[in-house]
Amino acid sequence: EAGVAQSPRYKIIEKRQSVAFWCNPISGHATLYWYQQILGQGPKLLIQFQNNGVVDDSQLPKDRFSAERLKGVDSTLKIQPAKLEDSAVYLCASSQSGAPTMGQFFGPGTRLTVL
Amino acid sequence: GQNIDQPTEMTATEGAIVQINCTYQTSGFNGLFWYQQHAGEAPTFLSYNVLDGLEEKGRFSSFLSRSKGYSYLLLKELQMKDSASYLCAVPSNDYKLSFGAGTTVTVRA
Repeated sequence: EAGVAQSPRYKIIEKRQSVAFWCNPISGHATLYWYQQILGQGPKLLIQFQNNGVVDDSQLPKDRFSAERLKGVDSTLKIQPAKLEDSAVYLCASSQSGAPTMGQFFGPGTRLTVL
Repeated sequence: GQNIDQPTEMTATEGAIVQINCTYQTSGFNGLFWYQQHAGEAPTFLSYNVLDGLEEKGRFSSFLSRSKGYSYLLLKELQMKDSASYLCAVPSNDYKLSFGAGTTVTVRA
């Protein structure tokens, strides 16, 4: 079974530039999550999708961050414009509906550096 | 909301045992997860506890006490490859995960 795919793996941009990350979850997983993990901290949930609908985006800085999952499969997370404090690893995870005790499966992450 | 505390760092010798504690405060309880995260990699699932007691999985065991808001992850017969960050996570009612900051375990020869 293929895991959660993310690209790019690394991205370096200057502040005020835009950046987009892509995620392809495990096949059949209806729930998709985007997390931000700052160095030395645990992952922090940004947004949760159930199929193509947003379940929770309460921690997403909506003035600069946006995310979509138009067809209920792949998802993109965008930052526009980026700030220095956005430097972090952005993790995508997916889980199977009806099997929450199996936990979430994480992708390798995108390491963003904002200069 | 969830409040999760775990130690920042622990160091142990190869072959030894290390116990990583996690305390949590939640508005509702839906179990507790432990994840392992090697440097530069994604977190991977280790265990899920929803009932009190100890669950053993090979060299790794996880314990839960719901009345005390307390869990620990026990790593036995430590190997160099066990050097990683260990994350305690508590799900909300709709299974969104809140993570602790992680405990970095360093295994020395």
